[in-house]
Amino acid sequence: AQSVSQHNHHVILSEAASLELGCNYSYGGTVNLFWYVQYPGQHLQLLLKYFSGDPLVKGIKGFEAEFIKSKFSFNLRKPSVQWSDTAEYFCAVNANNAGNMLTFGGGTRLMVKP
Amino acid sequence: SQTIHQWPATLVQPVGSPLSLECTVEGTSNPNLYWYRQAAGRGLQLLFYSVGIGQISSEVPQNLSASRPQDRQFILSSKKLLLSDSGFYLCALTGVGGTEAFFGQGTRLTVV
Repeated sequence: AQSVSQHNHHVILSEAASLELGCNYSYGGTVNLFWYVQYPGQHLQLLLKYFSGDPLVKGIKGFEAEFIKSKFSFNLRKPSVQWSDTAEYFCAVNANNAGNMLTFGGGTRLMVKP
Repeated sequence: SQTIHQWPATLVQPVGSPLSLECTVEGTSNPNLYWYRQAAGRGLQLLFYSVGIGQISSEVPQNLSASRPQDRQFILSSKKLLLSDSGFYLCALTGVGGTEAFFGQGTRLTVV
């Protein structure tokens, strides 16, 4: 079955540290890839998305993600995190050969210490 | 622009009681509709997925069911709630071709 895996369930960083959150998926074929963020007490919002073109995608708030097709990965990165980045991050994938059903990873809870 | 109306925002129900959560969408036609459950520490779990009226895919075996009586209406139901059904339920839509998801405000369900 199609799946989306986020291997880091909890990450704790100090401010100014670099961030990389892993996301791997098991779909073949054409995929659309997303990262969503949920700040404490708030609703999910879109950070960035990849449909086609440049595999390095820039999102809001200084986040970026790189689509590596050969590795079935779409890792999220930020060079220098801030305390305000404390949130839960979700990777999501839909695939043309899976009816475009949107499947989320289990989420990564990031805590940034001031 | 697309909007999703989901109600109620919070709900406290006794074990064994029925459930009906409604989600309606505006500003789009023939959307793909989803019910997700977000439980503490367990991420976002896909429960049901619908590509059209009367077409429901169930992703997780459970005592919940879903129906789509109209193109822009998606209903999550249960005949008898369990304690384990407590959680935060989100309705979402994606457009034709797999666009980004838009979410409703969610329903916090507590089964007591």
